[in-house]
Amino acid sequence: DQQVKQNSPSLSVQEGRISILNCDYTNSMFDYFLWYKKYPAEGPTFLISISSIKDKNEDGRFTVFLNKSAKHLSLHIVPSQPGDSAVYFCAASRYGGATNKLIFGTGTLLAVQP
Amino acid sequence: KAGVTQTPRYLIKTRGQQVTLSCSPISGHRSVSWYQQTPGQGLQFLFEYFSETQRNKGNFPGRFSGRQFSNSRSEMNVSTLELGDSALYLCASSFGRGGLNTEAFFGQGTRLTVV
Repeated sequence: DQQVKQNSPSLSVQEGRISILNCDYTNSMFDYFLWYKKYPAEGPTFLISISSIKDKNEDGRFTVFLNKSAKHLSLHIVPSQPGDSAVYFCAASRYGGATNKLIFGTGTLLAVQP
Repeated sequence: KAGVTQTPRYLIKTRGQQVTLSCSPISGHRSVSWYQQTPGQGLQFLFEYFSETQRNKGNFPGRFSGRQFSNSRSEMNVSTLELGDSALYLCASSFGRGGLNTEAFFGQGTRLTVV
């Protein structure tokens, strides 16, 4: 049972344009969400997070939007740069739970074309 | 501030052998989690340790085990290796209890190949 889903395995965007990566979840107990960027053979790098009390969080070129009613979150990267090319994972957890366990989506490969 | 350190980076083992992987978390972090990444299954949660106690476990067979020491360093062990255990094993370090700071920071991983 895939509780966190990233339905687009890949996305191609022109440099300077906006990249929008999507993520859906099924478990209504999730209340904390994170995005990670990963290069091959390396560990994921934390990008940005959002708790369920917010619907938007910004950090530089990265903005995460959360729609709790739709159980959907998205990561916007503006402007996109070639160095952003990587696999992006969304992850979910229970912020108030006695665990730091993360449930990951299957990832979206972003390719930013120069 | 040093990041999460995993050793070794690469490992080749034979079926039936056992292996131990090591993880040193970020200084001050008390929670260590382990994940397995395979091409078909993505990142799957193995287990989490906090203050030397396992407080959560994923859906993996008993061949997979772990422990945490008083200095927060953690090891995971896989016994009776199978070909399907070939994967990138990732360790994640977090500050502490859920609800305080759940951003997890990952090490570079150990690439295990079972032949």
